[in-house]
Amino acid sequence: EAGVAQSPRYKIIEKRQSVAFWCNPISGHATLYWYQQILGQGPKLLIQFQNNGVVDDSQLPKDRFSAERLKGVDSTLKIQPAKLEDSAVYLCASSLGPRGSGEAFFGQGTRLTVV
Amino acid sequence: QQQVKQSPQSLIVQKGGISIINCAYENTAFDYFPWYQQFPGKGPALLIAIRPDVSEKKEGRFTISFNKSAKQFSLHIMDSQPGDSATYFCAAKGNNAGNMLTFGGGTRLMVKP
Repeated sequence: EAGVAQSPRYKIIEKRQSVAFWCNPISGHATLYWYQQILGQGPKLLIQFQNNGVVDDSQLPKDRFSAERLKGVDSTLKIQPAKLEDSAVYLCASSLGPRGSGEAFFGQGTRLTVV
Repeated sequence: QQQVKQSPQSLIVQKGGISIINCAYENTAFDYFPWYQQFPGKGPALLIAIRPDVSEKKEGRFTISFNKSAKQFSLHIMDSQPGDSATYFCAAKGNNAGNMLTFGGGTRLMVKP
């Protein structure tokens, strides 16, 4: 079974530039999460999708962050414009959904450095 | 959002010793409590999980102890090995339709040979 795929693995951009991350969840997983993990901290949920609908985006800085999950499969997370404090690892995870065990499977993440 | 508090932040244990990491939660609606292990450059991976209907779950060298009345749970790693050196995160998830997974701040474990 293939895991959660993310790209790119690393990205370095200047502040005020834009950047996009891509995630392909495990096949059949209805729930998709984007987390932000700042160095030395636990992952913080940014947005959660159930199929292609948003379940929770209360911690997404909507003035600069956006995310979409077209057709309930792949997802993209965009930051525009980026700030220095956005430097972090962006993790995508997926799970079966409400009827599953609750286990979330994580990708390797995209390490973003904003300079 | 500090719904799950984890301690200690870092832990050094000798090989063969017992590593203990503690977590406390606030939301009584949480009904799923996983522990994740994360190696540098990798995403978190599920280690072991428990639901509040049991007080303990053991898988190999890893044991979760759960105290529902105190709203606390802990991870015990028996016979700790250098390969266990990683960052460990506790997490909790509610039983609502959103099933949001909330993480603790993490514990960096180092097992000395």
